[in-house]
Amino acid sequence: QTALTQPPSASGSPGQSVAISCTGTSSDVGGYNYVSWYQQHPGQAPKLIIYEVNKRPSGVPDRFSGSKSGNTASLTVSGLQAEDEADYYCSSHGGITNVVFGGGTKLTVL
Amino acid sequence: QVRLVESGGGLVEPGGSLRLSCAASGFTFRDLYMTWIRQAPGKGLEWVSKISGSGNDIYYADSVKGRFTISRDNAKNSLYLQMNSLRVEDTAVYYCARDPYHYASDPWGPGTLVTVSA
Repeated sequence: QTALTQPPSASGSPGQSVAISCTGTSSDVGGYNYVSWYQQHPGQAPKLIIYEVNKRPSGVPDRFSGSKSGNTASLTVSGLQAEDEADYYCSSHGGITNVVFGGGTKLTVL
Repeated sequence: QVRLVESGGGLVEPGGSLRLSCAASGFTFRDLYMTWIRQAPGKGLEWVSKISGSGNDIYYADSVKGRFTISRDNAKNSLYLQMNSLRVEDTAVYYCARDPYHYASDPWGPGTLVTVSA
């Protein structure tokens, strides 16, 4: 199965907003409202921050938001904070491939 | 609180076998799908396999189909991954996770490292 496409890096200054894209096809991102986003700090397990395109699990700040248009999903981090510096991965239901991940985006807070 | 702890990782030669376990606590284990996801050193995430609460529905990534077997023991609140015919490219940290939402995993265990090398 082909991985979803994410930019390898993104950056922003504290207080700014940054958006990370996740591009798939009509067989995954475009075909289902089952896009998730995970945050991974170095040496730690990934943490779910967005599920079903735009829903936040309990405890996740509302600075994190998700959206989708066609075959591309996006994660927006508003009011950037130093602790937001991490790797971010998108995933989507992919039909018979069940779940497919993006390659990951390293977010740097300048 | 929800807790997942993997065990069973280690060093194995190509062609060998390994069985991973995941001990779950803090939730009704039998009610939820459980998933294995792996991450090769310095690389991204790769979905491996998942199993329904009853164990009747099972799915695998193409890369492990026919070599890996997922199972669960709801009486012991445990998830397993039997890995046979291991390859160098199976080297990764293996995470177990529960799926409280459709196709989304939360939380994840700390992971267990599997190294396949001669």
